[in-house]
Amino acid sequence: GAVVSQHPSWVICKSGTSVKIECRSLDFQATTMFWYRQFPKQSLMLMATSNEGSKATYEQGVEKDKFLINHASLTLSTLTVTSAHPEDSSFYICSALDWNTGELFFGEGSRLTVL
Amino acid sequence: KNQVEQSPQSLIILEGKNCTLQCNYTVSPFSNLRWYKQDTGRGPVSLTIMTFSENTKSNRRYTATLDADTKQSSLHITASQLSDSASYICVVSGNNNDMRFGAGTRLTVKP
Repeated sequence: GAVVSQHPSWVICKSGTSVKIECRSLDFQATTMFWYRQFPKQSLMLMATSNEGSKATYEQGVEKDKFLINHASLTLSTLTVTSAHPEDSSFYICSALDWNTGELFFGEGSRLTVL
Repeated sequence: KNQVEQSPQSLIILEGKNCTLQCNYTVSPFSNLRWYKQDTGRGPVSLTIMTFSENTKSNRRYTATLDADTKQSSLHITASQLSDSASYICVVSGNNNDMRFGAGTRLTVKP
């Protein structure tokens, strides 16, 4: 079964609203989680690296005030897309690193559509 | 320039045939290399993880190789099935969980 759970799996929202996506590690503690976005038929693009208890590290070109990341516990990280616009419509995926085994597990992704 | 280059970008093969996907990297220092399979609209699923000392690792019909000297890895799929149609992503890790993603190879298996 899935070891990383993402919620919601899909969401539709109006332009200007904010959307929160959750990423949970179910069977292990994840000190590090990663957030990605993926456009159709394109590769995963790393947005940010989230470390528990500290500020996220954003990749170049990713607006930290636009994409708020919180990693408040060892099993939960959240991504909030603030003031969403149609161009933010994408497939957002998280992954979590099991520090003990070195395995990197991905969530099933969240499809965001902004109208 | 991306530190992880995958080839080919896309590949179409007939069911039952074999294929090999390539991943070349420049990430240094090197910690490990992972191959993932991503079905359309789903999250990537791990196929294998290889460390510096491992040359070959097999998982059912998938065989991954790693040459840490030349910084090359391959993923060989034997007796392909329709369900193998997916994107295959190579992820190379350096120190401090610094991960670099390849752009992926989109494989289509046709009947």
